[in-house]
Amino acid sequence: DTEVTQTPKHLVMGMTNKKSLKCEQHMGHRAMYWYKQKAKKPPELMFVYSYEKLSINESVPSRFSPECPNSSLLNLHLHALQPEDSALYLCASSPGDTDYNEQFFGPGTRLTVL
Amino acid sequence: AQTVTQSQPEMSVQEAETVTLSCTYDTSESDYYLFWYKQPPSRQMILVIRQEAYKQQNATENRFSVNFQKAAKSFSLKISDSQLGDAAMYFCALEAGGGSEKLVFGKGMKLTVNP
Repeated sequence: DTEVTQTPKHLVMGMTNKKSLKCEQHMGHRAMYWYKQKAKKPPELMFVYSYEKLSINESVPSRFSPECPNSSLLNLHLHALQPEDSALYLCASSPGDTDYNEQFFGPGTRLTVL
Repeated sequence: AQTVTQSQPEMSVQEAETVTLSCTYDTSESDYYLFWYKQPPSRQMILVIRQEAYKQQNATENRFSVNFQKAAKSFSLKISDSQLGDAAMYFCALEAGGGSEKLVFGKGMKLTVNP
């Protein structure tokens, strides 16, 4: 299995809702990432988990809460989002134990906040 | 700090012809890696090609090859025999070595392939 899967593919939520995004990989990768991507822009790094521990938080607002229950799974919990948070949310994974970290991306969750 | 610059926001190429996408970067690290990622419309971002900075030989993957000029900090991507499926956003990315966990992306370039 050489892919990263993300669910749901699309999500529409109100500003008072609580929802979660899910990401899964079965490549034995030890590093997992959350990115936010606006249309025709590069991905912006949000969080990095390395060996199930949060290693990088790019000053992301607390309405985004990451969780890594195990080495294969990564969640992003959403609460009280703003319309400007509407974007494509990408998950990625990488081996984490090599000199370079070639990242494998999932297809993303397209989030719309009303 | 690392930076990656893609100065051309859009390019177009005729099917079967060759196109070169430019990318320059800046880093103070001696050990780093460069990547080209492709993101077709509404589809997944995939790795096209990777270049290790310590390797002098330019990387090649089928129709895709790079021209890595380390002294000039340039990393261009050549696509030969362009196909309609090559139409996508292309992102150049840099990772400083030693497992930095961070990819620094350029702004991206939209490639259109005309039939």
